[in-house]
Amino acid sequence: AQSVAQPEDQVNVAEGNPLTVKCTYSVSGNPYLFWYVQYPNRGLQFLLKYITGDNLVKGSYGFEAEFNKSQTSFHLKKPSALVSDSALYFCAVRVPSGYSTLTFGKGTMLLVSP
Amino acid sequence: GAGVSQSPRYKVAKRGQDVALRCDPISGHVSLFWYQQALGQGPEFLTYFQNEAQLDKSGLPSDRFFAERPEGSVSTLKIQRTQQEDSAVYLCASSLVDPSGANVLTFGAGSRLTVL
Repeated sequence: AQSVAQPEDQVNVAEGNPLTVKCTYSVSGNPYLFWYVQYPNRGLQFLLKYITGDNLVKGSYGFEAEFNKSQTSFHLKKPSALVSDSALYFCAVRVPSGYSTLTFGKGTMLLVSP
Repeated sequence: GAGVSQSPRYKVAKRGQDVALRCDPISGHVSLFWYQQALGQGPEFLTYFQNEAQLDKSGLPSDRFFAERPEGSVSTLKIQRTQQEDSAVYLCASSLVDPSGANVLTFGAGSRLTVL
């Protein structure tokens, strides 16, 4: 069975400071890893994914994530946070196959203060 | 369409009523997923369609939940005899088929069901 852990319910950061949202995963074999963001009353929006290759993945809105196989982590990062980044962030994992379920973590609320 | 469309956006039902939630996926997207998102939780998988075939329904919580996609496009999630624990946001997602599994799911805004 595959699973995702997001250990922080909420992350607070001041605008302009770097941010990190943590994610660890458990899966048999090599994982495909995803980050989605959810704004109030809106669906999940795709940010970035890791499939293979370079461990540092760059995505939308200046976000990036680093895949660390030894630590089974895929932390989301941004060098300089914006107030508009405040939202709910979900990490997700699936195994490489023709069909596999995308399994989500419980989410981390990011609050960026002015 | 430009995105995944879900209706109704909000539904209030009395306990015991039947509800139907509709999902209109992106045109040409073969794969369609339903997820349930309880308050304060991440989305949890309910069921998956490839065209009209329901390939996985292992996440449906009980036999009161039923999903269909008869023509391989629009899908309906039906919940019979609703219970309070069914209160959640029901998310639909669609994607192209990718044998590697690297495809990105595009989500709709969800249908928020409240059972009184």
